[in-house]
Amino acid sequence: NAGVTQTPKFQVLKTGQSMTLQCAQDMNHNSMYWYRQDPGMGLRLIYYSASEGTTDKGEVPNGYNVSRLNKREFSLRLESAAPSQTSVYFCASRENSNQPQHFGDGTRLSIL
Amino acid sequence: QKEVEQNSGPLSVPEGAIASLNCTYSDRGSQSFFWYRQYSGKSPELIMFIYSNGDKEDGRFTAQLNKASQYVSLLIRDSQPSDSATYLCAVEENPGNNRKLIWGLGTSLAVNP
Repeated sequence: NAGVTQTPKFQVLKTGQSMTLQCAQDMNHNSMYWYRQDPGMGLRLIYYSASEGTTDKGEVPNGYNVSRLNKREFSLRLESAAPSQTSVYFCASRENSNQPQHFGDGTRLSIL
Repeated sequence: QKEVEQNSGPLSVPEGAIASLNCTYSDRGSQSFFWYRQYSGKSPELIMFIYSNGDKEDGRFTAQLNKASQYVSLLIRDSQPSDSATYLCAVEENPGNNRKLIWGLGTSLAVNP
């Protein structure tokens, strides 16, 4: 059982480049989330999708876009990468509200 | 601003001792509470969740919830060096249909052999 799968695991970009982080879950979960984690800042929610077909902003959405492609997949796009977006990105999913979230292994992104 | 607060630590305990990790939250209507463990360089993994006042035990771990005082704690009995990690407290935002968690910054635990 793979759970939540994130690709790529590592990426180095130059300022201004674009890229898409992929996330897929095989647990038939309704809700999916994108977080970034920086030293001393904890987990900060970027975007989330409560159910297939819906997306909403979290606390730090600027510079990002998301797509809930289907129930399994939720992608995060950086249109024009900035050094401030250097971080570890986690995707998570859960069945419904009040249930635990399950995390992928993360993507370590460096922007030069 | 809804908040979850944890002592950042580090909390240092000797092997075999009880480690006590605490978390307070500001949203009085919150109904669901989660403890995650995160090893350095790894993703958060769920340890326990609790919904009702009182204690919930799972192996060496006990979660305690007191909604009136707005705190939730995690006790780790017979602490092992492998328990050394950062422990994250997360609280379901109220109302729950927002489908978001509010996260604390975590408490770093060091278990010394």
